[in-house]
Amino acid sequence: DIQMTQSPSSLSASVGDRVTITCQASQDIRNYLNWYQHKPGKAPKLLIYDASKLETGVPSRFSGSGSGTDFTFTISSLQPEDIATYYCQQYDNVIFTFGPGTKVDVK
Amino acid sequence: QVQLQESGPGLVKPSETLSLTCNVSGYSISSGYYWGWIRQPPGKGLEWIGSIYHSGSTYYKPSLKSRVTISVDTSKNQFSLKLSSVTAADTAVYSCARSSDIAFDYWGQGILVTVSS
Repeated sequence: DIQMTQSPSSLSASVGDRVTITCQASQDIRNYLNWYQHKPGKAPKLLIYDASKLETGVPSRFSGSGSGTDFTFTISSLQPEDIATYYCQQYDNVIFTFGPGTKVDVK
Repeated sequence: QVQLQESGPGLVKPSETLSLTCNVSGYSISSGYYWGWIRQPPGKGLEWIGSIYHSGSTYYKPSLKSRVTISVDTSKNQFSLKLSSVTAADTAVYSCARSSDIAFDYWGQGILVTVSS
C-alpha cells in the first residue's frame, strides 16, 4: 500500500496569514495527488487535482505544488470560511489513499 | 444534480456483516464513473474502502479486501457495501461517493454505523 503522511496535524493562524500544509507519499506517485477541504457535517470538497490544478470555482488563494513524494498545499491569505480539515489523497489505478488530515482554525 | 443517499442499519453486532446501500439520483450509474465507499471513524480521518465501476469491476483497499464486497444494481440505480466480521474498529460514518479514476466529486451525507453488542 502507498502510505500518506501530512504535517502538521493541526494549525492555528490569523486571518490573512499564509498557511502551508505538506503531504508525503511513501513512494513516487508522480503528480497523482489531490487536496480536499472537509467541513463538519458537509461532504469533502475537491480543491486541487493532479497536484497543482485548481478545480473549477475554487478561489485562487488555494494552490498546490509538488511531484514524486513531496507535495505542498497553500492558502495564500487565510479567510474565516477556510476553517476545515484538509486532506491530501493519492490515486493509483483506482486505488485511493487519503492522508490523515490537517485541521486548520483561525486564531 | 447528482445526489447520493446512504441507507442501512445504524447498529451492527461484532462479528456480523455490515450492509449499506447507496441510492443515486440525478445520474444513471450505468452511464459511467466509479462508485465508492469511504468511512471516517470518530475523531479520525477519511479512509477509502473500495469502488465499483458501472460495468461491475471492483477495486478494494488492500487491507480490507478480504472482508469487503461492493456490488451494483443498475436497474435500481444503487450500489451496496458489505463488510464482514466487523469489530468496534469498524465503527464510523460511512459515505458513498462518485468518482472519476482520480478524484471524488459527489458525496452522500454519510451514515453512522456503530459496532456494539
